[in-house]
This record gives sequence, structure tokens and C-alpha cells, in this order.
Amino acid sequence: NAGVTQTPKFQVLKTGQSMTLQCAQDMNHNSMYWYRQDPGMGLRLIYYSASEGTTDKGEVPNGYNVSRLNKREFSLRLESAAPSQTSVYFCASHYSYEQYFGPGTRLTVT
Amino acid sequence: GDSVTQMEGPVTLSEEAFLTINCTYTATGYPSLFWYVQYPGEGLQLLLKATKADDKGSNKGFEATYRKETTSFHLEKGSVQVSDSAVYFCALSDTGGGNKLTFGTGTQLKVEL
Repeated sequence: NAGVTQTPKFQVLKTGQSMTLQCAQDMNHNSMYWYRQDPGMGLRLIYYSASEGTTDKGEVPNGYNVSRLNKREFSLRLESAAPSQTSVYFCASHYSYEQYFGPGTRLTVT
Repeated sequence: GDSVTQMEGPVTLSEEAFLTINCTYTATGYPSLFWYVQYPGEGLQLLLKATKADDKGSNKGFEATYRKETTSFHLEKGSVQVSDSAVYFCALSDTGGGNKLTFGTGTQLKVEL
């Protein structure tokens, strides 16, 4: 039981490049989330998916898109990366009041 | 909208000292309240929760009581250890569906021998 896994762990992009952050969970949870963590700002919700086939915007969705590929997988795509998207990205799934977090992806955009 | 305010860090304590990290919230309805902990280089883990007013959450010697009258959920521990060094996040979950969490900015705790 791996819990929530994220790939890659680290990534450096140039401005304008695109990439997809992958997230998978093996706990059969319905709800999944993408957050970004920035110094002094806590975690902010980018997008979430309450169930397979549905996605909704969170607090800071601009510049991102998501895909809930199936119940296990929820990916986050940056179409044209900007330096303001330099951050640590966390994926999470939810069950019974608790969110379970992945180890994070540290993204730097130069 | 919903918001969570927690005390600024970093907080530096000696081992066996008493810990309090203040957290207050603003929300419509009746949110659930949480403390999450983040150890260096890791994701967040749920430390404790309270789902209704006057509930006390507890885990690993940490406690917090859901105070509706003061809209607070302060984290306490009677005797901290070096292994408690981490970043602590207060959070609330809205009652409007989606189980979305609103986080405070986090408080870094450093415990020294």
C-alpha cells in the first residue's frame, strides 16, 4: 500500500515550457486535490476532483489544467510555465475527514 | 470566505518545554478543524482533528479544543521533544461540499536539547 505517490520529485523548467505532474493513489478514495505550497502562504488549493469524471477550480487555478484519468490518477498540467509557478506541489486524496498527502514535487521555473 | 490565522514562527523551545501554537478561524457554518504536521522533506500528515464545538482532538501528546465562542483551535503539548521539530498547519474544512481544506500559513517549531 503505497498511499499517494507523485512524480517527478524535482523538476526545472524554462519559462514557456510545459509539463505534467503525475499523482496516483491506491486507497480507492473518491476525492483528490492539488495544492501548491509557497513560503509564508501555507498551502493553497489549485484544483480538486470530488469523484472520477469531475474536476473543479480551487483558490489559484490560473495557469493550470487537470485531468482525472480514472479513480486512481489525477494529473496537473502547466501549459506554459512561468516563474510565478515556482513552488512545491502536493497531491492529496480524501477519506473520512482526513486528507492523505503525497511527498511533493519541487518545481523551479527559470 | 473561510480563513485561518495562526501565529507566526519560527518558535524555538528547549526540550520538555510547554508548547502552544495559536490558531483562529473565520468560517460560515460549522467547519471541522485540523492540525497537520510536515516533517522536513515530506508531505503533510494529519495530527489531530475536531469535528464539532467543544470536541478535543488529541494524538502523540498534542491536544487542541474546538472553541466556537472564540473561533479558536490552539495546539498544545505539555513536554516537547526534539523529534517534534516540524512545521504545523492549522486548517478547516468547509461544510459546503468537496471536503476542501483552507490552511493557515504554518508555524515552524524547532526544539533544542
